Amino acid sequence: NAGVTQTPKFRILKIGQSMTLQCAQDMNHNYMYWYRQDPGMGLKLIYYSVGAGITDKGEVPNGYNVSRSTTEDFPLRLELAAPSQTSVYFCASSYSEREGETQYFGPGTRLLVL
Amino acid sequence: AQSVSQHNHHVILSEAASLELGCNYSYGGTVNLFWYVQYPGQHLQLLLKYFSGDPLVKGIKGFEAEFIKSKFSFNLRKPSVQWSDTAEYFCAVNAPFSGGYNKLIFGAGTRLAVHP
Repeated sequence: NAGVTQTPKFRILKIGQSMTLQCAQDMNHNYMYWYRQDPGMGLKLIYYSVGAGITDKGEVPNGYNVSRSTTEDFPLRLELAAPSQTSVYFCASSYSEREGETQYFGPGTRLLVL
Repeated sequence: AQSVSQHNHHVILSEAASLELGCNYSYGGTVNLFWYVQYPGQHLQLLLKYFSGDPLVKGIKGFEAEFIKSKFSFNLRKPSVQWSDTAEYFCAVNAPFSGGYNKLIFGAGTRLAVHP
């Protein structure tokens, strides 16, 4: 299994541009998550999905959109990039959200908005 | 609101020194607690977790953590660190979120540098 994969690894955007961060998992996990990691701030949940066709907002959803058309894929869309969205983005997945369930993380996408 | 506090943002140790990284959480209900590690250039991976039973949890690579409910703490320990333990360590708690689902709340992380 490849686990959780993310593309691209690194991207530079100009203010106002849009892009999609790709995330895929091959573990047949129902739950998928997008986090952003800012220095000294830990990870903050942007959006999550509990299954294909079902998504919901996390702690910091503004400026982002997601979709979940298949179990495997969970892309994150930035419509109008802003400098505040400069961050490292991690996708994660888990089989469920039950007690003790482990989340598996992808390698991350480093985004710089100038 | 639930939160996780990691007391040390940066820790520098020599090889063979003992390690203890502090973690406190604020959620008062039943908790599941995790330590994740991020080695340089790599993604987060699970080090250990607690969800019930023995409050002393043993993880990979010789790490252990002790859940002390009365202190709302879940400190990470290792008796003798190695250069390869250089990484960033994140404490997290699984707590209820909107919609009835749980989510992970992460601490800010502790960067550990181990010198040979």
